[in-house]
Amino acid sequence: QKEVEQDPGPLSVPEGAIVSLNCTYSNSAFQYFMWYRQYSRKGPELLMYTYSSGNKEDGRFTAQVDKSSKYISLFIRDSQPSDSATYLCAMGGASGGSYIPTFGRGTSLIVHP
Amino acid sequence: EAQVTQNPRYLITVTGKKLTVTCSQNMNHEYMSWYRQDPGLGLRQIYYSMNVEVTDKGDVPEGYKVSRKEKRNFPLILESPSPNQTSLYFCASSFAGNTEAFFGQGTRLTVV
Repeated sequence: QKEVEQDPGPLSVPEGAIVSLNCTYSNSAFQYFMWYRQYSRKGPELLMYTYSSGNKEDGRFTAQVDKSSKYISLFIRDSQPSDSATYLCAMGGASGGSYIPTFGRGTSLIVHP
Repeated sequence: EAQVTQNPRYLITVTGKKLTVTCSQNMNHEYMSWYRQDPGLGLRQIYYSMNVEVTDKGDVPEGYKVSRKEKRNFPLILESPSPNQTSLYFCASSFAGNTEAFFGQGTRLTVV
């Protein structure tokens, strides 16, 4: 079993839909959780960063971490065609633990007009 | 402009011909790493460096070498490339391993 599991999709939704992207993990030492967005032929860019459990909101994006279930989510409200990209989760240990982030395989999202 | 620069962007080479992919960052980051990205397998770390002259293996180091002689540069060396190293490669840098990573534009390598 991979340390981080992420459904590769593709996930196709109509413009305006609420999108839910998810990752599960097995390593209970993970403390920080990130979401990266990668457009075609580009490098990944950080979208959201959360530390430990809880929610974080930034505009149309909400990141949620449930450490008890080892499950993280990224919600996109009012999705737009410009949100079409691959979304990668990444996670790792806190200071003193593993510095190396582990990435999920990425989920391809297509938002059609 | 803060950035990570990789060169070349595209490369086609033949089996066994040594090549180097360069990576440079202008953000004074301590931490640099190399990844390869393959369909269905996602992003896998090849090597990382926590500082000058300090490097360590990632998940898939076989067939690759790196060096970190200067803080800003972290070249990836393929001494004898093979077709299974055909992939999309990314260099990344960050202040620490658990902070935001800045990625380069990628190098698409084809080994025939």
